[in-house]
Amino acid sequence: EDKVVQSPLSLVVHEGDTVTLNCSYEVTNFRSLLWYKQEKKAPTFLFMLTSSGIEKKSGRLSSILDKKELFSILNITATQTGDSAVYLCAASGSARQLTFGSGTQLTVLP
Amino acid sequence: NAGVTQTPKFQVLKTGQSMTLQCAQDMNHEYMSWYRQDPGMGLRLIHYSVGAGITDQGEVPNGYNVSRSTTEDFPLRLLSAAPSQTSVYFCASSYSSSNGEDTQYFGPGTRLTVL
Repeated sequence: EDKVVQSPLSLVVHEGDTVTLNCSYEVTNFRSLLWYKQEKKAPTFLFMLTSSGIEKKSGRLSSILDKKELFSILNITATQTGDSAVYLCAASGSARQLTFGSGTQLTVLP
Repeated sequence: NAGVTQTPKFQVLKTGQSMTLQCAQDMNHEYMSWYRQDPGMGLRLIHYSVGAGITDQGEVPNGYNVSRSTTEDFPLRLLSAAPSQTSVYFCASSYSSSNGEDTQYFGPGTRLTVL
């Protein structure tokens, strides 16, 4: 059975801190790993990773995949209150359907 | 493009009632999926479709039916609503890619309460 596990489940930081969110996966015939940000609405796409060791960056956010150890991390530097959200990790396998982790609730305090 | 649209946005049902959640996409995507999201449990796949006329069960299919008569539409039917089906429902679509790119585009969600 495909499985995605995220840690920590929740995180409270202050503005300006740097955070690292973790995602491990066990997926048959792995194709890609995706990160989403979810505020009080539908998830919005952040990154998709298919190759090991290649960092993807978008502003203060970056992510990298390790296909040997079956995990990915999402880094957010210089956090802002607008970064407060649930961050979802999902892995795509042989059926091309996504298996989601339960998410990390990030709260950034002013 | 409107992307992925869902109706209704909110719905309250009584136990035993039936209803259909509508989902449509105008991106000509082959793949469409329904997820439910409950607190602390992330998104769980209910049913999915890899093309018109083809559907399959996901992780939590019981109590739900789907059909895919056109590429654009993928309705989710609750046959006899139960309080355990109180949840937020998301529809998503994606295109087939040969290089592993499986980005899914989500609709805005339907918040369903079953009393």
